[in-house]
Amino acid sequence: DVKVTQSSRYLVKRTGEKVFLECVQDMDHENMFWYRQDPGLGLRLIYFSYDVKMKEKGDIPEGYSVSREKKERFSLILESASTNQTSMYLCASSLWTHSGNTIYFGEGSWLTVV
Amino acid sequence: KNEVEQSPQNLTAQEGEFITINCSYSVGISALHWLQQHPGGGIVSLFMLSSGKKKHGRLIATINIQEKHSSLHITASHPRDSAVYICAVRADSNYQLIWGAGTKLIIKP
Repeated sequence: DVKVTQSSRYLVKRTGEKVFLECVQDMDHENMFWYRQDPGLGLRLIYFSYDVKMKEKGDIPEGYSVSREKKERFSLILESASTNQTSMYLCASSLWTHSGNTIYFGEGSWLTVV
Repeated sequence: KNEVEQSPQNLTAQEGEFITINCSYSVGISALHWLQQHPGGGIVSLFMLSSGKKKHGRLIATINIQEKHSSLHITASHPRDSAVYICAVRADSNYQLIWGAGTKLIIKP
C-alpha cells in the first residue's frame, strides 16, 4: 500500500522559531510537493522537487525553504516562523511524467504559530 | 478568473440523492484529478482522467476535453460521503497541478 508520511500531525511553535516539517514516501516517486491549505483558498503550492537536490519555487515560497537530500524525503523549513504561517501543510508525491499520474498525499500537519 | 472553477462551492443534500459536482478549466491539460478531503485534513485521490469516464463503486467521473469540463457524480449518497471534493488539473505546459477551491458536500441522514 502506497504511503506518504508526515512526521508531525499537530505542532505549536513560537514566533521566530525554526520549524521542520518532514515528509517521507515509500513509492520511489521522483516528484514531491509541499502545499499549504487555508480556509477558502484551496491548496497553494509552496515548493516542489522533481529529483534529489532539485527544488523549484511554487506559488508562495516566501518564508519557506526545502531540502531533498534523499529521494524518499522532502523537508519543509520555516526559518523563522510567523503567525501568518499558521496553516495546514500537506506533502504529496507522484511519479515523473507529463501525461499525469496519481498524486498521493500525506495526512497533513496542522501548524499553529503563537 | 481562476483557471479551475468548481461548482457549487457548498452542497447539502439528503441521504440517497444523486450528487453532481462540476469542474471547468481554461487551460490545456494532460490530466484531471478528483480528490476527496475529509475533516482532519487527509486527501485521497479518487480519479485521474484524461478522457471519457471512470467508475469506482458509487462514484463516477466524466471529462469532456473539448468543453474543458469534468463532473463527479455520487449515486445513492450517504452521510459518510460528506467531505470536500477537489478538482485539480495538470497543465500541458508543466507538471504542476492547478487546484480548484473545492466543493464542500454535506449529506444529511
